[in-house]
Amino acid sequence: NAGVTQTPKFQVLKTGQSMTLQCAQDMNHNSMYWYRQDPGMGLRLIYYSASEGTTDKGEVPNGYNVSRLNKREFSLRLESAAPSQTSVYFCASSETGQGFSPLHFGNGTRLTVT
Amino acid sequence: LAKTTQPISMDSYEGQEVNITCSHNNIATNDYITWYQQFPSQGPRFIIQGYKTKVTNEVASLFIPADRKSSTLSLPRVSLSDTAVYYCLVGDISAGGSYIPTFGRGTSLIVHP
Repeated sequence: NAGVTQTPKFQVLKTGQSMTLQCAQDMNHNSMYWYRQDPGMGLRLIYYSASEGTTDKGEVPNGYNVSRLNKREFSLRLESAAPSQTSVYFCASSETGQGFSPLHFGNGTRLTVT
Repeated sequence: LAKTTQPISMDSYEGQEVNITCSHNNIATNDYITWYQQFPSQGPRFIIQGYKTKVTNEVASLFIPADRKSSTLSLPRVSLSDTAVYYCLVGDISAGGSYIPTFGRGTSLIVHP
């Protein structure tokens, strides 16, 4: 089992460029999440998908869109990147999406927007 | 929003016991408390989870008082490899009834030789 796989690991964009961060899990989990982590800020939720076919905004959704392509895959898109989106992005999954189901994280995508 | 408060940083020495306390005054009645460990350049990793009283596994213990407004992660006999950021997590419930895992800012633990 690979767990949660994120691609790419690193990316540099110019302001205004677009890109999609990919995330896939092989644990048959129902819920998936996208977080961003900035120095001293902990992890902040961007979007989540409680189950296949549903997506909802988290704490910091502005500037992002998501697609739950199927049960395995949950992608995060930046349509027009801004320097404020420079961050480390983590994808996570959870078996049931309830409090008793721990989150499983990927190793992150480090994004720099110049 | 569910909010957790932890010390920003802690220092310890190899072989000592470390206790990290997290306050979560607004925890929902049916919510669990989950702790994660994060090393640089990696995603957070599950350590331990509990609902009430005490839980112990091979790496840590979790103490939760009866009012559940706080919890304490206990790491016995820490080593240099325990240097990491530790997060406690509780959740919010969205308008649609979904559980939203919410992280605080974490505690940076540095273990000295």
